[in-house]
Amino acid sequence: EDQVTQSPEALRLQEGESSSLNCSYTVSGLRGLFWYRQDPGKGPEFLFTLYSAGEEKEKERLKATLTKKESFLHITAPKPEDSATYLCAVQDVGLTFGTGTRLTIIP
Amino acid sequence: DTAVSQTPKYLVTQMGNDKSIKCEQNLGHDTMYWYKQDSKKFLKIMFSYNNKELIINETVPNRFSPKSPDKAHLNLHINSLELGDSAVYFCASSHLGDSTTPQETQYFGPGTRLLVL
Repeated sequence: EDQVTQSPEALRLQEGESSSLNCSYTVSGLRGLFWYRQDPGKGPEFLFTLYSAGEEKEKERLKATLTKKESFLHITAPKPEDSATYLCAVQDVGLTFGTGTRLTIIP
Repeated sequence: DTAVSQTPKYLVTQMGNDKSIKCEQNLGHDTMYWYKQDSKKFLKIMFSYNNKELIINETVPNRFSPKSPDKAHLNLHINSLELGDSAVYFCASSHLGDSTTPQETQYFGPGTRLLVL
């Protein structure tokens, strides 16, 4: 059975303080690892898809990386508008999600 | 706008009632999904439909039944609602690859917040 574990559960950073979120996974055959952002009261918003170990993708202050066992979402010089819950998911039959990291950026 | 839309946004109802949630996508995708997000914010797959065929059926109660009139719509019918059904239900859509190809991105709707009293 696919499993996805995200850490930390919650993270508070000062504006401009860089950090990383972790997503550890076990899956029989990885067909994609997905990062989503979810704001309160809204649906998950797609950020990145990673398909193979060593792959990296960037978007503004976010950078996602992938190894054979985990993925990291690096946040560089975050701003308050980056505050959200970040969800990681793997694809088997349907998406299997982790429980998310609730990120708060303090001005 | 191209998107996944759901109605209603909020649904408050009594235990034992039957209700439906509608979902529509205009992204041209061939597969649609329903997810349940519980009070702890954990998202779990419930169903998916591809070309009008059910291809996933997780261990959800048979009180829940997905119905797809066409490729752009996947509705969720819930019979005999129970207190534990209270949650946020999300619809999503994507193109479906096969076991040898990468999975394409799923795009989510805004959610339907169901409260059973």
